[in-house]
Amino acid sequence: GQQVMQIPQYQHVQEGEDFTTYCNSSTTLSNIQWYKQRPGGHPVFLIQLVKSGEVKKQKRLTFQFGEAKKNSSLHITATQTTDVGTYFCAGRVRGGSNYKLTFGKGTLLTVNP
Amino acid sequence: KAGVTQTPRYLIKTRGQQVTLSCSPISGHRSVSWYQQTPGQGLQFLFEYFSETQRNKGNFPGRFSGRQFSNSRSEMNVSTLELGDSALYLCASSLGDSSNQPQHFGDGTRLSIL
Repeated sequence: GQQVMQIPQYQHVQEGEDFTTYCNSSTTLSNIQWYKQRPGGHPVFLIQLVKSGEVKKQKRLTFQFGEAKKNSSLHITATQTTDVGTYFCAGRVRGGSNYKLTFGKGTLLTVNP
Repeated sequence: KAGVTQTPRYLIKTRGQQVTLSCSPISGHRSVSWYQQTPGQGLQFLFEYFSETQRNKGNFPGRFSGRQFSNSRSEMNVSTLELGDSALYLCASSLGDSSNQPQHFGDGTRLSIL
């Protein structure tokens, strides 16, 4: 079953407001990746976090990996209409003898101008 | 550098038929993964191929199969199509281990089953 849970499923904000999406796993992740999918488009890689407690920033986006490596968050400061899309987290979990990425169901962000 | 190319972009089939989807990865990428995307279930992992070998498999029935050729191009086959197979099928390529490196997605093949 789904091992990576993502909340909220939907988020609507006014332009300029902040936005956060959370990703939680039932098992320890060796890394976590974040992707953005614009409406009608395909997922685009944003970042990968590997270390416990890691924090990375990309302009207005801040990504965090929890100390226990079971959760992660993506925070957008002062949203813009260009931020519209679905944000997915994907955790690296062991699947049999290999690792595989398990995607969360995503958070759809809409921004009211 | 050309991106990941998937063909065809759209496909309409009827129940019971079979279908083959194609994916050409970014040049130099040896790993190809396939995902099924539906509004209710999000992105679900089908399988990953690396150097012509299936390295990992998701929880899909045996009707879903794939293969990878020596040039890293990959195909996915679905037999005995069901209505529930209607979805966007995405292919993603990466240099190596797809779970540890950025994946580059194609635009997908939208499959509709009538």
